[in-house]
Amino acid sequence: SAVISQKPSRDICQRGTSLTIQCQVDSQVTMMFWYRQQPGQSLTLIATANQGSEATYESGFVIDKFPISRPNLTFSTLTVSNMSPEDSSIYLCSVPGSRYYEQYFGPGTRLTVT
Amino acid sequence: AQKITQTQPGMFVQEKEAVTLDCTYDTSDPSYGLFWYKQPSSGEMIFLIYQGSYDQQNATEGRYSLNFQKARKSANLVISASQLGDSAMYFCAMREGGNNNDMRFGAGTRLTVKP
Repeated sequence: SAVISQKPSRDICQRGTSLTIQCQVDSQVTMMFWYRQQPGQSLTLIATANQGSEATYESGFVIDKFPISRPNLTFSTLTVSNMSPEDSSIYLCSVPGSRYYEQYFGPGTRLTVT
Repeated sequence: AQKITQTQPGMFVQEKEAVTLDCTYDTSDPSYGLFWYKQPSSGEMIFLIYQGSYDQQNATEGRYSLNFQKARKSANLVISASQLGDSAMYFCAMREGGNNNDMRFGAGTRLTVKP
């Protein structure tokens, strides 16, 4: 199994500022996924991060707003830029396991923008 | 494009009773996997059960079973002998193709177990 940690676990930020969320995995993985979960909603995929290449963003998410880094096979960051209250969400990173039925999620970062 | 539908925003069940949470999906990929996750108020995503599109038998994991009806494209979760600790959000999810592909989620069902 993969163990995922995220930092920070939660934060309260002012509008207009940026926050970088870190995701650390205890094993090497090819793909890492970033999800957003707005209050009371489901998980929505923001982007897929493949080591050594640009992240692939889903419709409605752009690199200028959510830049992602993937410097190695165990680490990724997601930055939420120029935040507004609508960015208040839980942000989760996720990685697949070695078996097809395995998918692991980090504990999430609870972001509140005031 | 894949699509997951959960039509029950909320469900109530009496403790020790069984409950079925509905999930339908749509995909044109013959190879896919269906997942159910539990999300308690703490926010963590807890994996419950998995069904592969080529699996002949319905998946079971303890009190959880998946009623997989491929022709109807449904993958309902059955929780037997409900416990108070089962109260949580439940998400159905699907992943097409290989395990390096992304996973898409349904809207979720909030289950409340009554004592």
